[in-house]
Amino acid sequence: ETGVTQTPRHLVMGMTNKKSLKCEQHLGHNAMYWYKQSAKKPLELMFVYSLEERVENNSVPSRFSPECPNSSHLFLHLHTLQPEDSALYLCASSPEKTGGTDTQYFGPGTRLTVL
Amino acid sequence: GENVEQHPSTLSVQEGDSAVIKCTYSDSASNYFPWYKQELGKGPQLIIDIRSNVGEKKDQRIAVTLNKTAKHFSLHITETQPEDSAVYFCAASQGGTSYGKLTFGQGTILTVHP
Repeated sequence: ETGVTQTPRHLVMGMTNKKSLKCEQHLGHNAMYWYKQSAKKPLELMFVYSLEERVENNSVPSRFSPECPNSSHLFLHLHTLQPEDSALYLCASSPEKTGGTDTQYFGPGTRLTVL
Repeated sequence: GENVEQHPSTLSVQEGDSAVIKCTYSDSASNYFPWYKQELGKGPQLIIDIRSNVGEKKDQRIAVTLNKTAKHFSLHITETQPEDSAVYFCAASQGGTSYGKLTFGQGTILTVHP
């Protein structure tokens, strides 16, 4: 639909597990983003990658570890999460052509539940 | 940093009525204001945006207005239809970077009753 795909769509994990979220964009964009969407809270920007380089890390705990091996793929590695980390994790991408005012295109998200 | 306040948090209208959602922002340097619609089970999708050099923009039944002096912007949906029911988010971009840095409002749950 938007050209941004995310897998898995749903994930349930225990606090001691290690899992990874995957995002892929088919739009030829240069910037990719991870957002956290919790109930009754605004979308929170977690990480930004521009041309495969991490340019933003908004005080995210180290139990979240992003990886951007190329401009089309973005991962979020998860380990020893807490129940309060349960949320919808959204990936987005943008072309990076108009100095920070590009449209961001979102994937459908991964619904994460930490038990 | 930027702070975006969005009101109301829920909005219920009858089909055919108009709906208005309002947002205020704090950083006068913000220059890009997109609106996103999020349907159940989907990610947010851009429906309209406005830049700081424009006061109003329309796209069929949707319009956005921007008042830079007062630092607020609004989404107007006319002739609402049941398929307009969704969560709507406003956002502001602080600019100053090559990539986007959006700050989102809390969201408005719009329900259109047939």
